[in-house]
Amino acid sequence: DIQMTQSPSSLSASVGDRVTITCRASQSIISYLNWYQQKPGKAPKLLIYGASSLQSGVPSRFSGSGSGTDFSLTISSLQPEDFATYFCQQTYSTPRTFGHGTKVEIK
Amino acid sequence: EVQLVESGGGLVQPGRSLRLSCTASGFTFGDYAVSWVRQAPGKGLEWVGFSRSKAFGGTTEYVASVKGRFTISRDGSKSIAYLQMNSLKTEDTAVYYCTRAHDYGDYRADFWGQGTLVIVSS
Repeated sequence: DIQMTQSPSSLSASVGDRVTITCRASQSIISYLNWYQQKPGKAPKLLIYGASSLQSGVPSRFSGSGSGTDFSLTISSLQPEDFATYFCQQTYSTPRTFGHGTKVEIK
Repeated sequence: EVQLVESGGGLVQPGRSLRLSCTASGFTFGDYAVSWVRQAPGKGLEWVGFSRSKAFGGTTEYVASVKGRFTISRDGSKSIAYLQMNSLKTEDTAVYYCTRAHDYGDYRADFWGQGTLVIVSS
């Protein structure tokens, strides 16, 4: 199985900050990498697919990059509604494993 | 509007069975895969398995921890997917989400249900 390692596991940031979360795969997954946002008590929401494509309706302050084994999710200017937990997931092979999540908290 | 609604969760004893349902609307159910993802209390997300659309063979795949115990099926006439869970263990306790997933390209899960809680306990 492909292991997905996210870092950091949590971070504190202020509104307006630029935030970057990284995800590393245990082998090359080309660009089969998706990012999800989850708020407490809610279902995850797709933000980025194919490593860098923005899901319809998602604000442009979210962006994704990377290929092979190293990927990142960037929020260019953190907004109050962005405080949540973020997960990466590889869809290169089954099982379609997730990272352990990064909790973004208010500083 | 795409919607997925899970049902069937509840409290069940270890070793017993439970069947979850996922009722889809707002899209052509047969054109997409359906996947199930679970989240144990306070933990991360775990992909459970999926059922491909007929166009991609209608096959299923599962994570090792549920293989042989869980079965995903779908009723295209009703736009419902099922997760049959047998021989349940305490470690199967989780919120179970169904998702619409793409069968090709990036295989993204772009719509999720609200989840249904399964508690396995004596």
